[in-house]
Amino acid sequence: DAGITQSPRHKVTETGTPVTLRCHQTENHRYMYWYRQDPGHGLRLIHYSYGVKDTDKGEVSDGYSVSRSKTEDFLLTLESATSSQTSVYFCAISRPGQGQETQYFGPGTRLLVL
Amino acid sequence: ILNVEQSPQSLHVQEGDSTNFTCSFPSSNFYALHWYRWETAKSPEALFVMTLNGDEKKKGRISATLNTKEGYSYLYIKGSQPEDSATYLCASQSGGYQKVTFGTGTKLQVIP
Repeated sequence: DAGITQSPRHKVTETGTPVTLRCHQTENHRYMYWYRQDPGHGLRLIHYSYGVKDTDKGEVSDGYSVSRSKTEDFLLTLESATSSQTSVYFCAISRPGQGQETQYFGPGTRLLVL
Repeated sequence: ILNVEQSPQSLHVQEGDSTNFTCSFPSSNFYALHWYRWETAKSPEALFVMTLNGDEKKKGRISATLNTKEGYSYLYIKGSQPEDSATYLCASQSGGYQKVTFGTGTKLQVIP
């Protein structure tokens, strides 16, 4: 257990509405990540953070923004949700493990955009 | 190879059989190779991380090898059990950065 929680765990929303997903960690790790998981694509990186107010884009960042005002919280915002953003979203942190940085994942958030 | 590729996409084996799958990754700027086990309705769990060419890691009946020069890693499961049923993901980390690129996984189903 890496002390990662995600909220909400499930959400149904309508196209065009804003949505914010929260990732919270209790272990004060520097690096945090947001991924989406879709059939046939595995896990794809949306954004990641390497410290408070330090974020960078991943491979599928269009339509998403992130914020990290505190070490423990990493927020993912869909400014105007679209049906293509229906997915399962995973937050992860990385910490030293087995000699190298290893990523540990939260429980996921299922988002359905109607 | 530009992306991380895993094969086969899915696999059905009988209980007790041994099996293996492949992860291919870009060999340039290689930093680390990760294997994860992902059970349905759960989140991925770290199995191994390997960095050096020729590395071998083992955890119980599961082991992995790494060839960084040719850009591949094998995951082996000896004497598969129904509880081994899961999707096995590999992820390549390059350039020393914290970003990793995941493959699409190999879905293993062990039939009792």
